[in-house]
Amino acid sequence: DGGITQSPKYLFRKEGQNVTLSCEQNLNHDAMYWYRQDPGQGLRLIYYSQIVNDFQKGDIAEGYSVSREKKESFPLTVTSAQKNPTAFYLCASSMWTDSYGYTFGSGTRLTVV
Amino acid sequence: DQQVKQNSPSLSVQEGRISILNCDYTNSMFDYFLWYKKYPAEGPTFLISISSIKDKNEDGRFTVFLNKSAKHLSLHIVPSQPGDSAVYFCAARRGTTGTASKLTFGTGTRLQVTL
Repeated sequence: DGGITQSPKYLFRKEGQNVTLSCEQNLNHDAMYWYRQDPGQGLRLIYYSQIVNDFQKGDIAEGYSVSREKKESFPLTVTSAQKNPTAFYLCASSMWTDSYGYTFGSGTRLTVV
Repeated sequence: DQQVKQNSPSLSVQEGRISILNCDYTNSMFDYFLWYKKYPAEGPTFLISISSIKDKNEDGRFTVFLNKSAKHLSLHIVPSQPGDSAVYFCAARRGTTGTASKLTFGTGTRLQVTL
């Protein structure tokens, strides 16, 4: 079955540590995205990538970094520079002309203590 | 600047009645609108969409209406069922040829369907 996999589902980290969230898709989608969900704020775009080895900042990119070395993979690193890293992180993918928008992963809940 | 707004954070509807979820947008460049449904601790799933050249799209119990002049869209669920209880996100896409469909999401409306 084709899909998009995020791991782990829950992640705990100490303040000041970098942490990398995994996102893998086998849908042969060109574009991939990272969103963050906070209560009352909806989904906010962190980074997106249209093709391999290329990515663009979204609305809230500060304190985050990404890479796109393979079409299937788009990992997100939450750095110690991110002031409020505790959140629910969602990865998504799409074809350029996909009328259905995105296919989302099941998310990673990151808690920084 | 919130370009897509869902002004009702929550809505409670009795089973069998109609649920109406509203969404307003400010950017006239948006050309495609989508609704997603999300359960807790899961990713959103696509529900229904509408192109800006249409004013209505129907899929089973779900209908989306678009009023371009008012920059307003609404999702109607008839009849509402307990399994419809979830958070509903409105999303909008700005059409740009040759680039990825970057979506702007609203803040979501939590629908509770009661027995």
